[in-house]
Amino acid sequence: EAQVTQNPRYLITVTGKKLTVTCSQNMNHEYMSWYRQDPGLGLRQIYYSMNVEVTDKGDVPEGYKVSRKEKRNFPLILESPSPNQTSLYFCASSSSTQDNYGYTFGSGTRLTVV
Amino acid sequence: DAKTTQPTSMDCAEGRAANLPCNHSTISGNEYVYWYRQIHSQGPQYIIHGLKNNETNEMASLIITEDRKSSTLILPHATLRDTAVYYCIVRAADSWGKLQFGAGTQVVVTP
Repeated sequence: EAQVTQNPRYLITVTGKKLTVTCSQNMNHEYMSWYRQDPGLGLRQIYYSMNVEVTDKGDVPEGYKVSRKEKRNFPLILESPSPNQTSLYFCASSSSTQDNYGYTFGSGTRLTVV
Repeated sequence: DAKTTQPTSMDCAEGRAANLPCNHSTISGNEYVYWYRQIHSQGPQYIIHGLKNNETNEMASLIITEDRKSSTLILPHATLRDTAVYYCIVRAADSWGKLQFGAGTQVVVTP
C-alpha cells in the first residue's frame, strides 16, 4: 500500500532533549515536506526537500533541522525542543511530475514539550 | 504563489451537492488549483486539481472559471463523512515542493 509513515504517533518530551521524528514513503517520490499544525494558525510548512541532499526552508523553519540522505526518508530533528514546538506534525511526499497529484500526507505526530 | 480566499464555513444537507467556492484572482498562468480536505486532526487528503479545464474524479468535480480567477469544488452527493475542512491552494508548476495552506472552509454535513 502506498503510504507515508511517521513515527512516533505521540511523543511527550522535556525541554532541551533532542528528538527525531521519522518519516518514510514507499512511493519513490522526489518531494517530501514537513508541516506543523496549531489551533488558529493552520498548517504551516517547516521544510521541504526536492530530492536527495536538496532541502529548502518553508515558512517556519526556526528550531528544526532536516536531512535527506535517502529518497524514502526525511527525518525531522529538534535539537533543543521548547514548549512552543508543541504541535501536531505531518510529513508528506509528492512526485515531481507536472501532472502530479499533490502531497500524500502521513497520519501525524502529536508532540508535547514540557 | 497566489493567495486564495474561501468562506470560513458552510453547512450542507446530506445527499445534496456541496458547492465550495474559492477566489484566486491573482493566479498566474503556470499555477494549478488544488483542493485538499482534512478530517479532524487527520493528515490532509488530496481531492482534485486543475489548470484551466474543468476536472472530475470519483470524489469531486472542479469548475474553474474561464479567467481562472475563481473555482468551485463540487461534492455531488455529500455524506456525513464529508464533514471536514476544505483547502483551496494554488501551486506553481515550477515550485512543487512549496505548498501553503490557508484557513480553508469548515464544511459540516448535516442529516
